[in-house]
Amino acid sequence: DTEVTQTPKHLVMGMTNKKSLKCEQHMGHRAMYWYKQKAKKPPELMFVYSYEKLSINESVPSRFSPECPNSSLLNLHLHALQPEDSALYLCASSQESSPLHFGNGTRLTVT
Amino acid sequence: RKEVEQDPGPFNVPEGATVAFNCTYSNSASQSFFWYRQDCRKEPKLLMSVYSSGNEDGRFTAQLNRASQYISLLIRDSKLSDSATYLCVVDTGRRALTFGSGTRLQVQP
Repeated sequence: DTEVTQTPKHLVMGMTNKKSLKCEQHMGHRAMYWYKQKAKKPPELMFVYSYEKLSINESVPSRFSPECPNSSLLNLHLHALQPEDSALYLCASSQESSPLHFGNGTRLTVT
Repeated sequence: RKEVEQDPGPFNVPEGATVAFNCTYSNSASQSFFWYRQDCRKEPKLLMSVYSSGNEDGRFTAQLNRASQYISLLIRDSKLSDSATYLCVVDTGRRALTFGSGTRLQVQP
C-alpha cells in the first residue's frame, strides 16, 4: 500500500492532446517531486516543490507544466508531448532530509 | 564523473549466498543516503536509510564510508524474493535526492 496516490495508473495520449497527471499525499510532507523513469533506467528528477513553491526545475521542456495547488496535491500538465516522452512518471513526497515516498506511478504512452 | 555511480550488474547468485553492492558519490557534503529496491514495472520502495555508524535490518546491512565517499549494501542468506534492482540514493546538496543507475540482482534456486 502506498500513501502517495497517483492517477491515472495508465494514460495513452496523442501528440496534440492535453492531459494532466495527479498526485496526492496526506502525510504532511512539505516537499513533492516529479520523476520520470524510462525502461531499465533510474528515475530522473524533473521538478521539486518545497512548501508549495517550485524550487527545482531540471531544465524540463515547457510541454511539461507542474502545478502545486496546495500542500497535499501536485499536478503535471502535459501538452504537445512527443513519443519519446513515453515513460513511467513517478510522484514522491518527503520531509527535509527524509526518504522519498513514491506513488505507484502513471505509465504514459504518447502515440 | 556522475554524481552517484553503481555497478549495473546483473549479479546472479544462488539462494543462500551473501552479496554486496557498492555505490560511490561525488559530493563530499552529501548528508543523506538511502537504499531503495525496485521490482519490475513497480515504483521504488525504501529498503533502508544509511547511517554514519552503519546499520542492520535483518539480513540487510548498510554502511557508509565518508572518506572514500561510498555506501554499501550487504544481503546475507539471499532469497528468491530478493531479486530486484537496488538503487542507491544520495542527496546532492540541492535539497533533492539523486538516484544511482541501479544494480540488478537475480537470485537463482
